[in-house]
Amino acid sequence: QQQVKQSPQSLIVQKGGISIINCAYENTAFDYFPWYQQFPGKGPALLIAIRPDVSEKKEGRFTISFNKSAKQFSLHIMDSQPGDSATYFCAKIIAAGTYKYIFGTGTRLKVLA
Amino acid sequence: NAGVTQTPKFRVLKTGQSMTLLCAQDMNHEYMYWYRQDPGMGLRLIHYSVGEGTTAKGEVPDGYNVSRLKKQNFLLGLESAAPPQTSVYFCASSHGGGRAGTQYFGPGTRLLVL
Repeated sequence: QQQVKQSPQSLIVQKGGISIINCAYENTAFDYFPWYQQFPGKGPALLIAIRPDVSEKKEGRFTISFNKSAKQFSLHIMDSQPGDSATYFCAKIIAAGTYKYIFGTGTRLKVLA
Repeated sequence: NAGVTQTPKFRVLKTGQSMTLLCAQDMNHEYMYWYRQDPGMGLRLIHYSVGEGTTAKGEVPDGYNVSRLKKQNFLLGLESAAPPQTSVYFCASSHGGGRAGTQYFGPGTRLLVL
């Protein structure tokens, strides 16, 4: 069973600070790595996604960077805001040609005002 | 568009009781999924469907059954509920797989089995 190792489990950041969440994969051979954001009482929603042939992707204050040698992705939230307080999940496709994801265990982020 | 909706929002069952969770999507998506979410475990795939009339097992299928009689609906059944099935259940749908496979999630069903 493939695994996605996500860290940290929880994170507290001051408003305006940088939040960093890491995900390590056993296999980066497949072509889609989405990150989801989940607010309390809601379902997860796609935040940003990246392909492993791209070293970095930025959307607004959210950036994913890829460390190929470490097989690790990192989500950076710049200028973190209290509205960013949520749980973040990374995910990967289990095998090429399938539509199944395996998710990380989640990071609960709290941004202090 | 309502997106993905789930019924009911919350349910309490006694051990051994049965129930069906309903998921509906109005985005004409081919693929639908049922997940359970438990603290510290992330989202785990129970069953999924790649089209009307098809179903397949996911990561944790035991104790659950599913049906996809209509493209827009995906039902999750618990024939004999047990306390370990206490969880939050999420349904999701997607147009395709890979980069086209953004999954859209419903609001969840919180299930408590006593």
